[in-house]
Order: sequence, then structure tokens, then C-alpha cells
Amino acid sequence: ETGVTQSPTHLIKTRGQQVTLRCSSQSGHNTVSWYQQALGQGPQFIFQYYREEENGRGNFPPRFSGLQFPNYSSELNVNALELDDSALYLCASSLPGTDTQYFGPGTRLTVL
Amino acid sequence: EDQVTQSPEALRLQEGESSSLNCSYTVSGLRGLFWYRQDPGKGPEFLFTLYSAGEEKEKERLKATLTKKESFLHITAPKPEDSATYLCAVSSPQGGSEKLVFGKGTKLTVNP
Repeated sequence: ETGVTQSPTHLIKTRGQQVTLRCSSQSGHNTVSWYQQALGQGPQFIFQYYREEENGRGNFPPRFSGLQFPNYSSELNVNALELDDSALYLCASSLPGTDTQYFGPGTRLTVL
Repeated sequence: EDQVTQSPEALRLQEGESSSLNCSYTVSGLRGLFWYRQDPGKGPEFLFTLYSAGEEKEKERLKATLTKKESFLHITAPKPEDSATYLCAVSSPQGGSEKLVFGKGTKLTVNP
């Protein structure tokens, strides 16, 4: 059984650009959540997807958007990048009917 | 609003010196309290879930306990490989989803 995987591992963008981050959930996990972790902080909830629909969102602007695909993999898209978007972006998946979330290794995004 | 506070922010121990990390929380109704371990630049690794006051769980040198207002992560005879940031989180409803609300973590360093 494979765990949660994310790609790319890290990337560098400039202010104003757009970025897409990808996540493959753990086998059988149909719920995917995305978190942003700034340096020295705990992860902050961005949104959650279940059955290809967004079913909960944290305090992030609309330029943060996502998708979930029929195979439960997911994307996080961020438009009009700002310097403060520099962070570790974490994807987490969970089994149906459970609340324990398993995290991937993260994508380190640097915005210059 | 649900909140999690962890203390201390950083802790240095000698190998074999036992100690405890604290996680205090404010929630409208506890649905689950989670402990994760995070190594630098990596995603959080799941350790424990606790649901009700008085519950305890153990894994190797770690034991997590829960009261109505706080949780403790006890580390017995730690080894250098236990060095990491330990994150505490509570499950909180957000729309139709369950998000995790994290503390800032306790950075543990175990010296040989």
C-alpha cells in the first residue's frame, strides 16, 4: 500500500505567476485536504474535497482553488502568486467515515 | 473559534531524560485530538488519536494522554532519533468537512 505522494517536491515561481500542485491519495482514501504551512507555524487548512466536490474551506482567498479526480487524486491551484504564498503545501487523505488524516511529504513553494 | 496552544515552543533533553509536552485546546465539542511528528522539510507523520478524557495511547517511548482541557505527550528515555517537531491538532467542523486545527508545535532536540 502506497502512502500519500505529492509533486513536485519543490519549485520556485515569481510574483503574479500561477502554480499547480499535485497529490495522489493513499489507496482507498476518498477524502483529500490541503494545508499551507509557513515556516515555524502549524499547518493551516485550505480546503477539503470529497467525491470530487469541495465540502469545506478555510480562510483563503478564491485565488486558491482545487480539483479532485475520480481516482481521488487532487490538484491545488494558486493564481496571482504573492510573496506570502511561500510555504510548504501539504496534502492529506483519509478513509471514508474516519477522521485521521495522513499527510504527504509536501511541496515547498518559493515565490520571488 | 477552536484553538490549540502547545508548550514549550522548544525543548532540549539529554538522551534518557524523560519529559512531557503540553497541548491545551479550546473547542466547542471535542471530536478528536491528534498528535503528529514532523521532521524538517517533511510532512507530518501520524502518531495518535484520542477521543475522550482519560484515554491513553502508547507507541514505543511515547505515551499520549487526554483530559478535558489538555493533552500530554510523555517521552520516556528519549533517543536522538526522537528529535523532531511534535504537532498537536483537534478536529473541527468546517462546512461539510472536518478540518484539523494545529498548534505551532514543540521542537524537541535530544542530545546524545
